[in-house]
Amino acid sequence: SSELTQDPAVSVALGQTVRITCQGDSLRNYFASWYQQKPGQAPVLVMYGKNNRPAGIPDRFSGSNSGNTASLTITGAQAEDEADYYCNSRDNYAHRDFGGGTKLTVL
Amino acid sequence: VQLVESGGGLVQPGGSLRLSCVVSGFTVNTNYMTWVRQAPGKGLEWVSVIYSGGSTYYAESVKGRLTISRDNSKNTVYLQINSLRAEDTGVYYCAREADGGASGYWYFDLWGRGTLVTVSS
Repeated sequence: SSELTQDPAVSVALGQTVRITCQGDSLRNYFASWYQQKPGQAPVLVMYGKNNRPAGIPDRFSGSNSGNTASLTITGAQAEDEADYYCNSRDNYAHRDFGGGTKLTVL
Repeated sequence: VQLVESGGGLVQPGGSLRLSCVVSGFTVNTNYMTWVRQAPGKGLEWVSVIYSGGSTYYAESVKGRLTISRDNSKNTVYLQINSLRAEDTGVYYCAREADGGASGYWYFDLWGRGTLVTVSS
């Protein structure tokens, strides 16, 4: 089982702001990365490090970290943001771990 | 830049498979390469990584049954899975991982489309 905890499901009204969180002890030592996965597709990196967006990821996506919690915020959610979101981090033994995933519904 | 997995299929319990990830656009031996799997309807599960220096690491859930390796001449990463169980069923993704040693940031920036492994009698 995962050592990173995510809410299973979150919903947001179109155009509103939503925060998806990830909790785990490893986050005190290592930054999380975040992945968006739409049905039938491979995951896509959307955020990493303190607050780093890969090229091509809209600036409505932002990240933050505090203690044992990492957050992915979508400001002005769009219909195309509806997807599963996973956090990932590593531990001191080089093992990586994914959170259980959060299903985001845009209403 | 492309990662293309292959080698999946229907296998009986107890059988073996070798998955391949053919990479183009960068070299596997100068990057961290990882395998991630996803059971049907479930979340992502990290399985294994091979560092540029050759060190390998495995999830505890698969340790002893899986072996990650690479062939630099073919620019290909492999995942050998032995003693297959029903719970090994899923899509197996190959991904490139950024080496966070300098930046402190580890992340999977490039992914293949995956190959489906089905373990069933």
